[in-house]
Amino acid sequence: EVQLVESGGGLIQPGGSLRLSCAASGFTFSSYNMNWVRQAPGKGLEWVSYISSSSSTIYYADSVKGRFTISRDKAKNSLYLQMNSLRAEDTAVYYCARVGIFGVFSDYWGQGTLVTVSS
Amino acid sequence: EIVLTQSPGTLSLSPGERATLSCRASQSVSSTYLGWYQQKPGQAPRLLIYGASTRATDIPDRFSGSGSGTDFTLTISRLEPEDFAVYYCQQYGSSLWTFGQGTKVEIK
Repeated sequence: EVQLVESGGGLIQPGGSLRLSCAASGFTFSSYNMNWVRQAPGKGLEWVSYISSSSSTIYYADSVKGRFTISRDKAKNSLYLQMNSLRAEDTAVYYCARVGIFGVFSDYWGQGTLVTVSS
Repeated sequence: EIVLTQSPGTLSLSPGERATLSCRASQSVSSTYLGWYQQKPGQAPRLLIYGASTRATDIPDRFSGSGSGTDFTLTISRLEPEDFAVYYCQQYGSSLWTFGQGTKVEIK
């Protein structure tokens, strides 16, 4: 069974840093591209970042470029999102998602981890 | 950046009725890269349709997708109680993904 479990969320002050993790199981993690997608409270979905299976291709949304860094560890079957210079508008549930179809569509999602940026 | 606009914002229907959801793109989108997701309260999104018209694994055939260019449609032929949720269209292009703002399908 495919499972994605996010962790690392919490309350952080503006300007602070946080590292999210996503533990993958039930599939060959190293063969799949991955996305981070976030959802602010009561709002819609916003794509954040993408990393290819080999880590050779990485993309970011303009809203996080220069502040967030996506990475993955094949040995640990884990995906990461390092978030620096956090702002109030980064407050959201962050989902990791497997990009399993056409290299574009997210066919499995984690349950999400909440990041709250507030003083 | 391609902007996706979904309409209506909210659709109030009864079980058994047909739901028609629209997703309009600010410029032409490859049908290959257009999809639909369903999200229920407190849950992660679930992929329903990819490639504009292909149902994802285990998605019932009452869900169908159509369209091309800038206009895409998700149709639910007969609403079941479990279909009341928020639906998002999503596209990929130019190294980024964008979502529509969502359509809420609520019980009338």
